[in-house]
Amino acid sequence: GAVVSQHPSWVICKSGTSVKIECRSLDFQATTMFWYRQFPKQSLMLMATSNEGSKATYEQGVEKDKFLINHASLTLSTLTVTSAHPEDSSFYICSAAGQGATEAFFGQGTRLTVV
Amino acid sequence: QKEVEQNSGPLSVPEGAIASLNCTYSDRGSQSFFWYRQYSGKSPELIMSIYSNGDKEDGRFTAQLNKASQYVSLLIRDSQPSDSATYLCADYSGNTPLVFGKGTRLSVIA
Repeated sequence: GAVVSQHPSWVICKSGTSVKIECRSLDFQATTMFWYRQFPKQSLMLMATSNEGSKATYEQGVEKDKFLINHASLTLSTLTVTSAHPEDSSFYICSAAGQGATEAFFGQGTRLTVV
Repeated sequence: QKEVEQNSGPLSVPEGAIASLNCTYSDRGSQSFFWYRQYSGKSPELIMSIYSNGDKEDGRFTAQLNKASQYVSLLIRDSQPSDSATYLCADYSGNTPLVFGKGTRLSVIA
């Protein structure tokens, strides 16, 4: 399958700071990227969908000014958690799909801990 | 809004037995279904995809799809302790987001 690389794998930051997570498609052009969040013992919850060159579409309850998503190229999308708080501590996972693709491929995930 | 329902488990089976995981979905127009395995603290990994009614076999795994009943299942034969994980069923339509079930926790007991 196609490769999606997510970086960093884990990050610890202080409350009030911002953290950027990168998601790269290494061997295909990702026209659409999905960002998910997963709290312990819970399922993956979609946060937002981004199409290359367009503004992201956020799910209800997800603050777009807090979770900034940029999808400026066909191989890179970034999620920036601004002014992070301990309740933002979670496992963040990106998933990417090419045009007309029948499946989406996951990055390795980023474990964010805000202290 | 699409929904995918799974029994959260845990489902416990002895080593060597068949584990049966079930999933129902709400969108009658859905075409593609996926089973992912997720180990604790790791990203999901794709095990099986199925698009047509009937069975699809891959090694010890068999996915079954019944569109009339809006039902997808995953059978794991000869279950191994390494199969212990959470199994996520997902519904996908083109470039729309994967819609996940809550996952079923499987425990294979040696």
